[in-house]
Amino acid sequence: NAGVTQTPKFQVLKTGQSMTLQCAQDMNHNSMYWYRQDPGMGLRLIYYSASEGTTDKGEVPNGYNVSRLNKREFSLRLESAAPSQTSVYFCASSDLGHQNTEAFFGQGTRLTVV
Amino acid sequence: AQTVTQSQPEMSVQEAETVTLSCTYDTSESDYYLFWYKQPPSRQMILVIRQEAYKQQNATENRFSVNFQKAAKSFSLKISDSQLGDAAMYFCAYRSAYYGGSQGNLIFGKGTKLSVKP
Repeated sequence: NAGVTQTPKFQVLKTGQSMTLQCAQDMNHNSMYWYRQDPGMGLRLIYYSASEGTTDKGEVPNGYNVSRLNKREFSLRLESAAPSQTSVYFCASSDLGHQNTEAFFGQGTRLTVV
Repeated sequence: AQTVTQSQPEMSVQEAETVTLSCTYDTSESDYYLFWYKQPPSRQMILVIRQEAYKQQNATENRFSVNFQKAAKSFSLKISDSQLGDAAMYFCAYRSAYYGGSQGNLIFGKGTKLSVKP
């Protein structure tokens, strides 16, 4: 029962470097999300994907791109990392059916940009 | 747009005592879901309890219960018989029941850090 799996768990980047955060879920959920968590700010939505082949911007999309590779996988890419992107990143998934309304989260990725 | 406010950045409780964490929200919708998530130092987001807005009865899960006041747009979490393992960050979250543009996105408060004293 893996749930939502994120990789890597930790990453240090230099300013200007690029990287991709990977996320996969095995619960056959349609919707997937990327959030960032900053101290005192709660979790804020970066991008979401309602279904395979669709993606939409959330509250803080600047500096990020996403790909919904298939129903299971939803990746987040930083093309040119900036210190302001130092944060903890969470991937989540959910089923929008009435019986299952909660979101399931990965373990998070702590990213530091120096 | 919906907003969620947690007015207590930090709270402290003695082991075995009861503590209540506050949450208010703003929405013009009539159907929605509310959640409390717990985030221990491991960073894992753990669902504590959920409430459907159309249900008048307050949700309970073992030592955790909520006081849901729909008219006041208030959703507080009560933890009874507090244990050391309850120490964590707690987030209140809102989710629309209308799967339009938001597609079920969770809107979070800024969190309350709960400490439990032995």
